[in-house]
Amino acid sequence: NAGVTQTPKFQVLKTGQSMTLQCAQDMNHNSMYWYRQDPGMGLRLIYYSASEGTTDKGEVPNGYNVSRLNKREFSLRLESAAPSQTSVYFCASSSRTGSHTEAFFGQGTRLTVV
Amino acid sequence: AQSVSQHNHHVILSEAASLELGCNYSYGGTVNLFWYVQYPGQHLQLLLKYFSGDPLVKGIKGFEAEFIKSKFSFNLRKPSVQWSDTAEYFCAVTGRGNQGGKLIFGQGTELSVKP
Repeated sequence: NAGVTQTPKFQVLKTGQSMTLQCAQDMNHNSMYWYRQDPGMGLRLIYYSASEGTTDKGEVPNGYNVSRLNKREFSLRLESAAPSQTSVYFCASSSRTGSHTEAFFGQGTRLTVV
Repeated sequence: AQSVSQHNHHVILSEAASLELGCNYSYGGTVNLFWYVQYPGQHLQLLLKYFSGDPLVKGIKGFEAEFIKSKFSFNLRKPSVQWSDTAEYFCAVTGRGNQGGKLIFGQGTELSVKP
């Protein structure tokens, strides 16, 4: 059982380039999330999708867009990368069964923007 | 505003010492509480969780946490740490019935255990 799979694991971009981070889960979860992790700041929510067909902004959405392609997949796009977007990005998913909203995380994507 | 505050940014302990990491949250309504652990170079893994019932919850690897509603706290404890507990620890909260169960994380506490 793969859980949450993110691609790529590492990426270096030049300022102004665009890219899409892919995320897929095989746990039939309704909710999916994108977080960024920066030293001393914990994980900050970029965007989330409560269910297929819906997306909402989190704490730090500027410079990002998302697509909930289907129930399994939730992608994060950087249209014009900036050095401030250098970070480790984590995708997560959770089920909304009852009140059990434990999240499962992918392995992360380490992105460097030069 | 919804927030989670972890009191310590970096804790250094010797093996066999006792551990307590503080976590306070600000969140209206009923909450679910979590502690996640991130070992060096790895993704976040669930350490333990509180949804309801006994406020003292036990997790993996000998960790436990106590939910004190009156203090809005969910502190993590372990009686005797090991070198392998070196990791970063994150407290997180989500509200019951909120949109998608989104997790709000604290800043993290880096734990270094000296052999």
